[in-house]
Order: sequence, then C-alpha cells, then structure tokens
Amino acid sequence: EAAVTQSPRNKVAVTGGKVTLSCNQTNNHNNMYWYRQDTGHGLRLIHYSYGAGSTEKGDIPDGYKASRPSQENFSLILELATPSQTSVYFCASGDARDSQDTQYFGPGTRLLVL
Amino acid sequence: GEKVEQHESTLSVREGDSAVINCTYTDTASSYFPWYKQEAGKSLHFVIDIRSNVDRKQSQRLIVLLDKKAKRFSLHITATQPEDSAIYFCAASDYGSSGNKLIFGIGTLLSVKP
Repeated sequence: EAAVTQSPRNKVAVTGGKVTLSCNQTNNHNNMYWYRQDTGHGLRLIHYSYGAGSTEKGDIPDGYKASRPSQENFSLILELATPSQTSVYFCASGDARDSQDTQYFGPGTRLLVL
Repeated sequence: GEKVEQHESTLSVREGDSAVINCTYTDTASSYFPWYKQEAGKSLHFVIDIRSNVDRKQSQRLIVLLDKKAKRFSLHITATQPEDSAIYFCAASDYGSSGNKLIFGIGTLLSVKP
C-alpha cells in the first residue's frame, strides 16, 4: 500500500507568519500534489511536481510556494500566512506509470491562521 | 480550464437501496474519471475509475457509467451498507503527457440509514 505522510497534522499560525507543511512519500512516485479542502469547494490543486527539482502552479497558487528537494519530499510554504488560508491541506503522490493512475493521499494537515 | 460539477451535495438512502451520484465535466479532452471516498475525519482514498475508451466499469458493488456525448459520468453503489456512508468526490483529467492533474467536484455526502 502506498504511504504518504504529512507533518504537522495540526498547526496554529499567526497572520503574517511563515508556515511550512511537509509531505513525504515512500512510493517512489514521480508526481506529488498539494490540495486544500474547503466546504463548498471540494479539493483544489495548489501546486504539483513531476519530480525532484520541479514545481508547477496548480489552480490556486497565489500565496503559496512549493519545494521538491527530493523524490520523497514535497513542501508547501506560506511565506505570509493569512486567515483565508485556514483550511485542511492534503498531499498526494501518483505516477503516470501506475496502471490505475491513482493518487494516494496523505492524512491531511489542519491549518488555522489567527 | 476543466470544470467538474457534482450535482448532489447530499444524498440519503436506506440500507440495501442503490445510491447514484452524478457528475458533469466541460472539457472534451478529459479522458480519465476517478472517484474517491472520504470517511468522516479521514483522508481520501481511491475507489474506482473509468477511462474514455469504455462506457461502463464495475467493481463489486460499484458501477461507473460514462456518457461522453453528454459529458456526464456517474457512480452507482448497489446494495448500500452503513459503511458506504462518506463523502464521494468525482474528478476528471485530460491525463497529459506528464502527471495526472485532477479537477475535483465539490463532493457528495452519502448517508446510508439502517
């Protein structure tokens, strides 16, 4: 079974502060994704990556940066957190070579920005 | 860009009945349509998918139908059980040459009542 872990699982941050959300996958998947989940919006893609060193903008990248230093790790960075970034964030990994093209999701990080 | 509309935000059925969740998409280039399940307080996991080269796929009690002409796809859960209660997300992708960028619907909360 695919394994995607996220840290921290819960985070309280102050407006204007820097927040880093981390994701690790042990599936050796090329692709990794960051989503946020909000009621009424479903899951929305923030950033994604095709492999180490690559990051791509998703559908709602404003206010977020991403970093993919290795195959296993993908971080989401909020340089100046705002209350509108309060949400649940999910990381996922996937590989176009996988026969089902399935994305495997981490457990999520609840972020509260005060 | 692609938009996925999930028509039922909530759905309540009696145990043993069938449940149907409908989604529509806008991009005729979309060719891959997965469904994910999110149980209360948990992350998402893949349940079934369908590709545009077929119009029906079944996995045990789950059936997915795809109508490319109408740009509509649906998830049918037969003989529902209480453990089917969850949020179900449909998604679509044009499955580009790299990665698998998914556009999700807003989710349908399915309640299966005994």
